[in-house]
Amino acid sequence: AQKVTQAQTEISVVEKEDVTLDCVYETRDTTYYLFWYKQPPSGELVFLIRRNSFDEQNEISGRYSWNFQKSTSSFNFTITASQVVDSAVYFCALSEAIAGGGNKLTFGTGTQLKVEL
Amino acid sequence: EPEVTQTPSHQVTQMGQEVILRCVPISNHLYFYWYRQILGQKVEFLVSFYNNEISEKSEIFDDQFSVERPDGSNFTLKIRSTKLEDSAMYFCASRGGTGSNEQFFGPGTRLTVL
Repeated sequence: AQKVTQAQTEISVVEKEDVTLDCVYETRDTTYYLFWYKQPPSGELVFLIRRNSFDEQNEISGRYSWNFQKSTSSFNFTITASQVVDSAVYFCALSEAIAGGGNKLTFGTGTQLKVEL
Repeated sequence: EPEVTQTPSHQVTQMGQEVILRCVPISNHLYFYWYRQILGQKVEFLVSFYNNEISEKSEIFDDQFSVERPDGSNFTLKIRSTKLEDSAMYFCASRGGTGSNEQFFGPGTRLTVL
């Protein structure tokens, strides 16, 4: 069975600080996908990134960066120079790549990020 | 840019009533999903649907729930006899096909059961 753990329930930072959101996953599959979604106060789920299990290269997109380490089963997300608009709940999710399967997403419990002035 | 749409945005119903939540997935997508999120909790998988049948369902998706793709565009979730604990945000998602693993989510329908 697949499982995603986001141990940080809530993080508060001051604007312009860097912040890292942790994600640890469990799966028995060798092929899987990892995701981060942002859920702003308006409630929609905004896709941020997808990584597959064969690609451990870290990725940077503007102020966002992701650190994928299979050795520790972690997929951490860093926001550099945080802004008030980054305030949201961030979910990490896992999908196993099963042939003919539905590839359902298993979500973590989310981390509430509050960025204050 | 194509997007998943859901109606209504908010549905209020009495306990025991039937509700139908509607979704229009992205037009060329093949896989469809429903998830739910009880207020303040994580997003939970309900069901996946492919080739006009359920491909996987969770323990939450019991006999009170059903899904249907009645035509080429809509994807519906029916709850036959709603309970207080069905109050949640329901998200529809769709995915292109094999090799396309990203699920695109709709804005959600907030269901309130009184």
